[in-house]
Amino acid sequence: DGGITQSPKYLFRKEGQNVTLSCEQNLNHDAMYWYRQDPGQGLRLIYYSQIVNDFQKGDIAEGYSVSREKKESFPLTVTSAQKNPTAFYLCASSSQGVGANVLTFGAGSRLTVL
Amino acid sequence: EDKVVQSPLSLVVHEGDTVTLNCSYEVTNFRSLLWYKQEKKAPTFLFMLTSSGIEKKSGRLSSILDKKELFSILNITATQTGDSAIYLCAVVSNTNAGKSTFGDGTTLTVKP
Repeated sequence: DGGITQSPKYLFRKEGQNVTLSCEQNLNHDAMYWYRQDPGQGLRLIYYSQIVNDFQKGDIAEGYSVSREKKESFPLTVTSAQKNPTAFYLCASSSQGVGANVLTFGAGSRLTVL
Repeated sequence: EDKVVQSPLSLVVHEGDTVTLNCSYEVTNFRSLLWYKQEKKAPTFLFMLTSSGIEKKSGRLSSILDKKELFSILNITATQTGDSAIYLCAVVSNTNAGKSTFGDGTTLTVKP
């Protein structure tokens, strides 16, 4: 079945450590996105990529980095520069053309900084 | 800056009740408005609306868009406990590289 796989589902990190969240899709979608969700808030865009080897900052990119070396993969690194990294992280993808508006989401990764 | 406001932020009803969730927006060069349901982890797609006045319907759920007044509503009739979830509204702009801007969501709790 086609879909988006995020790993790990739960992650604990000590302050000052970088951590990388994995996102893999087999939907052959061109565009991929990373969102952050905090309690009582909607989804805020961190980074997005519309094609391989290209990505753009979203609304809250500070303290995060990404890469897009393969169409299927869009890993997110939460760096020590991110002041409040404890959150639920969602990866999403979309196709081009008619279906370009609809996002398909992964199951999310919950990061807790100790 | 694109903006989406959902109301109410939370709602508690009993099974069988009908609920209406609201979504108002401000967006430059509107392309579409979408509704998602988030039960546990991953939001799942419900409806995409692009034209005013055309109701989208799926079972007990329906949605409509008013592009003049810049809002959409999501109706759920004869609610069930399985409808308990966060309902997210998002807008997509043609001038925003197709990015989705989300509202804060409405948390719906349906009690038996």
